[in-house]
Amino acid sequence: RKEVEQDPGPFNVPEGATVAFNCTYSNSASQSFFWYRQDCRKEPKLLMSVYSSGNEDGRFTAQLNRASQYISLLIRDSKLSDSATYLCVVRGTYKYIFGTGTRLKVLA
Amino acid sequence: NAGVTQTPKFRVLKTGQSMTLLCAQDMNHEYMYWYRQDPGMGLRLIHYSVGEGTTAKGEVPDGYNVSRLKKQNFLLGLESAAPSQTSVYFCASRDTEFEQFFGPGTRLTVL
Repeated sequence: RKEVEQDPGPFNVPEGATVAFNCTYSNSASQSFFWYRQDCRKEPKLLMSVYSSGNEDGRFTAQLNRASQYISLLIRDSKLSDSATYLCVVRGTYKYIFGTGTRLKVLA
Repeated sequence: NAGVTQTPKFRVLKTGQSMTLLCAQDMNHEYMYWYRQDPGMGLRLIHYSVGEGTTAKGEVPDGYNVSRLKKQNFLLGLESAAPSQTSVYFCASRDTEFEQFFGPGTRLTVL
């Protein structure tokens, strides 16, 4: 079983749609959680950290459920510019474990 | 600030050749990481460093060596390249906050 699992997609959605990505992790001792965005052939960039209380940044909302070892990302009012791969990332003491990513394509 | 830079951006090697990838950061970060990214595999940690003069193995260290002689630089070496090492290599750094900053990547092909 992979330490961090994501649905690879692709998710093809129309502009303006709401889309949700899920991620599960296996190590209950994991300490921090993140969503990164990666554009084609580019480096990953931090989208947002994820907290147990849930957090929101504009159109993006992230949730963490430690009991179920589950992380989610919700994107509202999708834009063409949201097309990318979204990486779920879990941190231990020093190491970061990356999911394989979920591809999103927003269609005009 | 240049952030995190990687040299070279592209490289083609023949099996058995050696090379060194250079990662440099100008943010005075303590922690530095080397990853490889392959299709369908996600980013996998090769080696990492928690400070100048320290290195540690990650998930896939075989065939690679690293050095952190200066705080701002983290070198990744391939002593005898193999086709299985064809990949995109990313370097990252962070300070005591947990956001990792990535370099633009090095695309390596081993023939």
